[in-house]
Amino acid sequence: GNSVTQMEGPVTLSEEAFLTINCTYTATGYPSLFWYVQYPGEGLQLLLKATKADDKGSNKGFEATYRKETTSFHLEKGSVQVSDSAVYFCALKGVTGGGNKLTFGTGTQLKVEL
Amino acid sequence: GAVVSQHPSRVICKSGTSVKIECRSLDFQATTMFWYRQFPKQSLMLMATSNEGSKATYEQGVEKDKFLINHASLTLSTLTVTSAHPEDSSFYICSARDLRGGINEQFFGPGTRLTVL
Repeated sequence: GNSVTQMEGPVTLSEEAFLTINCTYTATGYPSLFWYVQYPGEGLQLLLKATKADDKGSNKGFEATYRKETTSFHLEKGSVQVSDSAVYFCALKGVTGGGNKLTFGTGTQLKVEL
Repeated sequence: GAVVSQHPSRVICKSGTSVKIECRSLDFQATTMFWYRQFPKQSLMLMATSNEGSKATYEQGVEKDKFLINHASLTLSTLTVTSAHPEDSSFYICSARDLRGGINEQFFGPGTRLTVL
């Protein structure tokens, strides 16, 4: 079945530091890949997505590239801000067995300090 | 953007009672909603897919008689945890699928924290 593995947190960074949150996946075919963000007390929000190999999703300074050869979709940001503190979830939507179902990773908490 | 609400945000109940959680799509119609359960430091686990006007589709291992889902309108799905026990304590999150403009994206509610004493 489909699965998503992402690095455990919490990740603590100073403001303006470079961020990488690793995400790898297991799926048949070519799933769509997503990063969701959950700010404290709020629901999950779609941050970015990529639907095919080599696509790069980007939003709010965050980027992730769909790497089929390494089955990865690592999240990066060049300079984090305190307001980026949240929990980040990597997810995939498979192409078989119910194409609307999302499979999530365990989430990575990011704390950005001044 | 699309907004999904959940009510209540927190609920504490006694063991053996039933609790109803509502999920509403506020500015769009959703023929499909999803119910997830999230344990501390774990990922969201899909419990069931709620389809307007028809029976919900439950994931393997989820008791349909325990977790009753009703999707009676295009903007409301409810999850009722029947005869709740302490092991049902968890964070329940719903999402609603927005098909406007062909985007086919899920929008998530803020979640409901259930504590069963």
